[in-house]
Amino acid sequence: DQQVKQNSPSLSVQEGRISILNCDYTNSMFDYFLWYKKYPAEGPTFLISISSIKDKNEDGRFTVFLNKSAKHLSLHIVPSQPGDSAVYFCAASVAGTASKLTFGTGTRLQVTL
Amino acid sequence: DAGVIQSPRHEVTEMGQEVTLRCKPISGHDYLFWYRQTMMRGLELLIYFNNNVPIDDSGMPEDRFSAKMPNASFSTLKIQPSEPRDSAVYFCASSPGRLMNTEAFFGQGTRLTVV
Repeated sequence: DQQVKQNSPSLSVQEGRISILNCDYTNSMFDYFLWYKKYPAEGPTFLISISSIKDKNEDGRFTVFLNKSAKHLSLHIVPSQPGDSAVYFCAASVAGTASKLTFGTGTRLQVTL
Repeated sequence: DAGVIQSPRHEVTEMGQEVTLRCKPISGHDYLFWYRQTMMRGLELLIYFNNNVPIDDSGMPEDRFSAKMPNASFSTLKIQPSEPRDSAVYFCASSPGRLMNTEAFFGQGTRLTVV
């Protein structure tokens, strides 16, 4: 059973526009959420995270929103750039499990010119 | 630090052969994780270690899979015998394991193809 779900396998956005990537989770014990970005032939790299005590965290062009009641989080990229084209993984963990992450299946973002 | 180092980057082997994947975590990190990436299931956690001790191996798919961490700077994931369905990208990751949750740092992965 997928405890972390990314229902959109792919997304195409024009350069300069907003990219919104979505993630849903089922385990109510999750309290720390992360987004990773992955380029081909490379390992995933950490992008941004949010604790369950917050509903928003912003880092430059990247903002993560958390809706605990809906068990939903989203990653907003504004403005989108061609270099943002990658696979984005949503991940979640439970307090005290020291980065034992449960990942979604990923969303491939293509930013077009 | 050079980051998490995995070897080999690519491995092609015949069904039934033994395969050993290697990982060197970031120095000072207490936790080491082995993940497998497939199209259908994304990134799955196979096993993780804390201070060289296996903590949770519930993700290891079968007895054909085994992992060891003989010291703080080296870990192996072995598949014996290998099968075509084991073909995937295998990632090793490490993290400091501080009290607060923190991100894990990934290696570049080993692409395994079993023919």
